[in-house]
Amino acid sequence: QVQLQQWGAGLLKPSETLSLTCGVSGGSFSGSYWSWIRQPPGKGLEWIGDINQSGTTNYSPSLKSRVTISRDMSKNQFSLKLTSVTAADTAVYFCARIRVTIFGGYYYGMDVWGQGTTVTVSS
Amino acid sequence: DIQMTQSPASLSASVGDRVTITCRASQGISDYLAWYQQEPGKVPKLLIYEASTLQSGVPSRFSGSGSGTDFTLTISSLQPEDVATYYCQKYNSAPLTFGGGTKVEIK
Repeated sequence: QVQLQQWGAGLLKPSETLSLTCGVSGGSFSGSYWSWIRQPPGKGLEWIGDINQSGTTNYSPSLKSRVTISRDMSKNQFSLKLTSVTAADTAVYFCARIRVTIFGGYYYGMDVWGQGTTVTVSS
Repeated sequence: DIQMTQSPASLSASVGDRVTITCRASQGISDYLAWYQQEPGKVPKLLIYEASTLQSGVPSRFSGSGSGTDFTLTISSLQPEDVATYYCQKYNSAPLTFGGGTKVEIK
């Protein structure tokens, strides 16, 4: 079955760029949107954005100006970049899969998740 | 954008109790709603999708209902292993907003 393995730098200074990658194994990149979600310490889940196999992206309105999600089909990976980080971006970051219908609409919910990466922003 | 509001923010109940969590969307989302369980320190787990369809492997004491703007997650008989925070999420269209979460504890 599909598994997600994520990696990236865990400690950043303010103004740096957060960069995380999520590798997809055991399944196809097609038929799904591939999402990034974050969770600040002691707080709830926040959806950051997603990408599909065609490269179509959707972003959270609150983060849109700083976020870029990309994919590398040849490596079965997708990545998150978040620029100009501050302490408010300190969180556990998750990647996840949400499937889509043949018409491109979301369905089923996020059924596969990465293990999470703790990112701390501190000077 | 559509906002998702969960209530209560936390609850404490006894083992065997029936527990109900509510999620309200600020606009109609049909049945494009999922529920997740996140145990302390763990990755979120999909419990229910399409508002009422149980994900494979999820115990039958969990159930979901609702459509449009008002949804509920019910645990028919609370068990110690159900201690977790529960989140709803809309997925009719982006942004895929989560509710604020409901923390469930054992009394």
